Amino acid sequence: AQSVAQPEDQVNVAEGNPLTVKCTYSVSGNPYLFWYVQYPNRGLQFLLKYITGDNLVKGSYGFEAEFNKSQTSFHLKKPSALVSDSALYFCAVRDSRGYSTLTFGKGTMLLVSP
Amino acid sequence: GAVVSQHPSRVICKSGTSVKIECRSLDFQATTMFWYRQFPKQSLMLMATSNEGSKATYEQGVEKDKFLINHASLTLSTLTVTSAHPEDSSFYICSARARDSYNEQFFGPGTRLTVL
Repeated sequence: AQSVAQPEDQVNVAEGNPLTVKCTYSVSGNPYLFWYVQYPNRGLQFLLKYITGDNLVKGSYGFEAEFNKSQTSFHLKKPSALVSDSALYFCAVRDSRGYSTLTFGKGTMLLVSP
Repeated sequence: GAVVSQHPSRVICKSGTSVKIECRSLDFQATTMFWYRQFPKQSLMLMATSNEGSKATYEQGVEKDKFLINHASLTLSTLTVTSAHPEDSSFYICSARARDSYNEQFFGPGTRLTVL
Protein backbone atom coordinates (compact mmCIF):
# COMPACT_ATOMS: atom_id res chain seq x y z
CA ALA A 1 0.00 0.00 0.00
CA GLN A 2 1.17 3.51 -0.68
CA SER A 3 0.94 6.42 1.72
CA VAL A 4 1.87 10.06 2.13
CA ALA A 5 2.69 11.89 5.33
CA GLN A 6 2.52 15.64 5.72
CA PRO A 7 3.64 16.06 9.32
CA GLU A 8 2.57 19.68 9.70
CA ASP A 9 -1.06 20.71 9.84
CA GLN A 10 -0.04 24.33 9.40
CA VAL A 11 3.06 26.26 8.43
CA ASN A 12 3.39 29.94 9.27
CA VAL A 13 5.90 32.14 7.51
CA ALA A 14 6.40 35.86 7.05
CA GLU A 15 6.19 37.34 3.58
CA GLY A 16 9.57 37.42 1.89
CA ASN A 17 10.95 34.54 3.93
CA PRO A 18 11.64 31.10 2.49
CA LEU A 19 9.06 28.42 3.05
CA THR A 20 9.16 24.65 3.26
CA VAL A 21 6.21 22.28 3.36
CA LYS A 22 7.24 18.74 4.24
CA CYS A 23 6.18 15.49 2.62
CA THR A 24 7.37 11.94 3.00
CA TYR A 25 6.01 8.96 1.14
CA SER A 26 5.89 5.20 1.01
CA VAL A 27 5.33 3.32 -2.22
CA SER A 28 6.23 0.06 -3.89
CA GLY A 29 8.51 0.57 -6.79
CA ASN A 30 9.40 3.95 -8.24
CA PRO A 31 7.32 6.89 -7.07
CA TYR A 32 5.54 9.52 -9.08
CA LEU A 33 5.21 12.53 -6.78
CA PHE A 34 3.00 15.57 -7.05
CA TRP A 35 2.20 18.79 -5.26
CA TYR A 36 -1.18 20.47 -5.56
CA VAL A 37 -2.56 23.67 -4.07
CA GLN A 38 -6.16 24.29 -3.09
CA TYR A 39 -7.78 27.65 -2.42
CA PRO A 40 -11.02 27.83 -0.40
CA ASN A 41 -13.96 26.11 -2.09
CA ARG A 42 -11.89 25.38 -5.16
CA GLY A 43 -10.50 22.26 -6.78
CA LEU A 44 -6.86 21.33 -6.85
CA GLN A 45 -4.34 23.18 -8.93
CA PHE A 46 -1.25 21.35 -10.09
CA LEU A 47 2.06 22.83 -8.92
CA LEU A 48 4.73 20.37 -9.93
CA LYS A 49 5.62 16.73 -10.28
CA TYR A 50 8.55 14.37 -10.11
CA ILE A 51 8.53 11.44 -12.50
CA THR A 52 12.18 10.87 -13.29
CA GLY A 53 15.35 12.85 -13.96
CA ASP A 54 16.67 15.73 -11.88
CA ASN A 55 15.86 15.52 -8.21
CA LEU A 56 15.10 19.24 -8.06
CA VAL A 57 11.84 19.99 -9.77
CA LYS A 58 10.67 23.49 -10.58
CA GLY A 59 7.00 24.24 -10.88
CA SER A 60 4.39 26.95 -11.04
CA TYR A 61 4.44 30.25 -9.13
CA GLY A 62 8.10 29.92 -8.15
CA PHE A 63 7.68 26.70 -6.21
CA GLU A 64 10.15 23.86 -6.34
CA ALA A 65 10.54 20.49 -4.69
CA GLU A 66 13.42 18.14 -4.11
CA PHE A 67 13.09 14.42 -4.46
CA ASN A 68 15.22 12.57 -1.93
CA LYS A 69 15.07 8.85 -2.47
CA SER A 70 17.08 7.87 0.59
CA GLN A 71 14.84 9.89 2.89
CA THR A 72 11.69 9.16 0.85
CA SER A 73 10.88 12.84 0.93
CA PHE A 74 9.56 15.40 -1.51
CA HIS A 75 9.50 18.71 0.35
CA LEU A 76 7.96 21.75 -1.29
CA LYS A 77 9.96 24.95 -1.16
CA LYS A 78 9.87 28.56 -2.25
CA PRO A 79 12.68 31.07 -1.72
CA SER A 80 10.43 34.03 -0.94
CA ALA A 81 6.84 33.59 0.24
CA LEU A 82 3.95 35.80 -0.84
CA VAL A 83 0.76 36.47 1.08
CA SER A 84 -1.11 35.09 -1.92
CA ASP A 85 0.63 31.75 -1.40
CA SER A 86 -1.59 31.19 1.64
CA ALA A 87 -3.60 28.07 0.82
CA LEU A 88 -3.89 24.35 1.49
CA TYR A 89 -1.13 22.24 -0.03
CA PHE A 90 -1.37 18.55 -0.81
CA CYS A 91 1.38 16.11 -1.58
CA ALA A 92 0.41 13.02 -3.55
CA VAL A 93 2.10 9.83 -4.69
CA ARG A 94 1.45 6.93 -6.97
CA ASP A 95 3.70 4.17 -8.10
CA SER A 96 4.97 3.98 -11.62
CA ARG A 97 3.22 0.74 -12.46
CA GLY A 98 0.41 0.94 -14.94
CA TYR A 99 -2.60 2.96 -13.93
CA SER A 100 -2.35 3.07 -10.16
CA THR A 101 -4.28 5.79 -8.34
CA LEU A 102 -3.04 8.84 -6.49
CA THR A 103 -2.82 8.81 -2.73
CA PHE A 104 -2.95 12.21 -1.05
CA GLY A 105 -1.49 13.46 2.17
CA LYS A 106 -3.81 15.14 4.66
CA GLY A 107 -2.75 18.58 3.55
CA THR A 108 -0.78 21.42 5.09
CA MET A 109 -2.24 24.88 5.51
CA LEU A 110 0.30 27.54 4.62
CA LEU A 111 -0.27 30.96 6.16
CA VAL A 112 1.93 33.79 4.96
CA SER A 113 1.72 36.91 7.07
CA PRO A 114 2.36 40.40 5.66
CA GLY B 1 -3.49 23.15 -20.35
CA ALA B 2 -6.14 20.50 -19.89
CA VAL B 3 -9.37 21.74 -18.35
CA VAL B 4 -11.90 19.81 -16.32
CA SER B 5 -15.24 21.39 -15.49
CA GLN B 6 -17.86 20.43 -12.96
CA HIS B 7 -21.51 21.36 -12.79
CA PRO B 8 -23.07 22.53 -10.61
CA SER B 9 -20.49 24.28 -8.48
CA ARG B 10 -22.86 24.37 -5.57
CA VAL B 11 -26.13 22.56 -4.84
CA ILE B 12 -28.52 22.53 -1.93
CA CYS B 13 -31.14 19.83 -1.77
CA LYS B 14 -33.63 18.32 0.60
CA SER B 15 -33.01 15.06 2.35
CA GLY B 16 -34.24 12.11 0.31
CA THR B 17 -33.74 13.67 -3.10
CA SER B 18 -31.12 12.69 -5.67
CA VAL B 19 -28.47 14.99 -7.02
CA LYS B 20 -26.44 14.60 -10.20
CA ILE B 21 -23.00 16.15 -10.61
CA GLU B 22 -21.38 16.36 -14.03
CA CYS B 23 -17.69 16.25 -14.77
CA ARG B 24 -16.41 17.16 -18.22
CA SER B 25 -13.00 17.16 -19.83
CA LEU B 26 -13.15 20.17 -22.11
CA ASP B 27 -10.14 19.78 -24.35
CA PHE B 28 -9.03 16.18 -24.07
CA GLN B 29 -10.46 12.71 -24.01
CA ALA B 30 -10.57 11.28 -20.52
CA THR B 31 -10.31 7.54 -20.57
CA THR B 32 -10.28 7.46 -16.79
CA MET B 33 -12.13 9.67 -14.36
CA PHE B 34 -11.91 9.75 -10.59
CA TRP B 35 -14.37 10.97 -8.01
CA TYR B 36 -13.15 12.26 -4.67
CA ARG B 37 -14.87 13.45 -1.55
CA GLN B 38 -13.37 16.04 0.75
CA PHE B 39 -14.55 16.95 4.22
CA PRO B 40 -13.67 20.35 5.68
CA LYS B 41 -9.97 20.74 6.36
CA GLN B 42 -9.32 17.15 5.37
CA SER B 43 -7.68 15.40 2.47
CA LEU B 44 -9.28 14.02 -0.65
CA MET B 45 -10.69 10.55 -0.33
CA LEU B 46 -11.00 8.56 -3.52
CA MET B 47 -14.52 7.25 -3.93
CA ALA B 48 -14.33 5.51 -7.27
CA THR B 49 -12.50 5.18 -10.52
CA SER B 50 -14.31 4.90 -13.81
CA ASN B 51 -13.07 3.97 -17.24
CA GLU B 52 -15.05 4.99 -20.28
CA GLY B 53 -17.57 2.37 -21.19
CA SER B 54 -16.96 0.26 -18.09
CA LYS B 55 -18.49 0.00 -14.67
CA ALA B 56 -16.87 2.09 -11.99
CA THR B 57 -14.55 0.57 -9.43
CA TYR B 58 -15.49 1.71 -5.95
CA GLU B 59 -13.17 2.08 -3.00
CA GLN B 60 -13.81 0.07 0.09
CA GLY B 61 -16.58 1.54 2.19
CA VAL B 62 -18.20 3.50 -0.63
CA GLU B 63 -21.76 2.42 -1.36
CA LYS B 64 -22.12 1.84 -5.07
CA ASP B 65 -25.91 1.96 -4.92
CA LYS B 66 -25.82 5.34 -3.23
CA PHE B 67 -23.13 6.95 -5.36
CA LEU B 68 -23.94 6.06 -8.94
CA ILE B 69 -21.20 6.78 -11.42
CA ASN B 70 -21.61 6.81 -15.16
CA HIS B 71 -18.79 7.37 -17.63
CA ALA B 72 -20.68 7.12 -20.87
CA SER B 73 -18.34 9.10 -23.07
CA LEU B 74 -14.72 10.16 -23.24
CA THR B 75 -15.57 13.65 -22.06
CA LEU B 76 -18.31 13.15 -19.49
CA SER B 77 -18.72 11.38 -16.20
CA THR B 78 -21.59 11.83 -13.78
CA LEU B 79 -21.93 11.16 -10.08
CA THR B 80 -25.47 10.78 -8.75
CA VAL B 81 -25.98 10.89 -5.02
CA THR B 82 -29.20 8.96 -4.51
CA SER B 83 -31.55 9.58 -1.59
CA ALA B 84 -29.20 12.15 -0.17
CA HIS B 85 -28.92 12.65 3.57
CA PRO B 86 -27.25 15.40 5.58
CA GLU B 87 -24.19 13.21 6.15
CA ASP B 88 -23.64 13.21 2.38
CA SER B 89 -22.96 16.94 2.54
CA SER B 90 -19.43 17.39 1.33
CA PHE B 91 -17.18 18.79 -1.36
CA TYR B 92 -17.02 16.46 -4.34
CA ILE B 93 -14.12 16.75 -6.77
CA CYS B 94 -13.67 14.94 -10.04
CA SER B 95 -10.44 14.31 -11.85
CA ALA B 96 -9.64 13.09 -15.32
CA ARG B 97 -6.76 11.31 -16.91
CA ALA B 98 -6.15 11.11 -20.64
CA ARG B 99 -5.27 8.06 -22.63
CA ASP B 100 -1.57 7.21 -22.37
CA SER B 101 -1.06 10.00 -19.85
CA TYR B 102 -0.98 7.96 -16.72
CA ASN B 103 1.15 10.48 -14.88
CA GLU B 104 -1.14 13.43 -15.55
CA GLN B 105 -4.35 13.88 -13.65
CA PHE B 106 -6.43 17.05 -13.98
CA PHE B 107 -8.89 18.21 -11.36
CA GLY B 108 -12.23 19.90 -11.62
CA PRO B 109 -13.15 22.90 -9.46
CA GLY B 110 -15.36 20.84 -7.16
CA THR B 111 -19.04 20.78 -6.23
CA ARG B 112 -20.27 21.77 -2.80
CA LEU B 113 -23.27 19.61 -1.85
CA THR B 114 -25.41 20.61 1.10
CA VAL B 115 -28.25 18.31 2.09
CA LEU B 116 -30.83 19.88 4.38
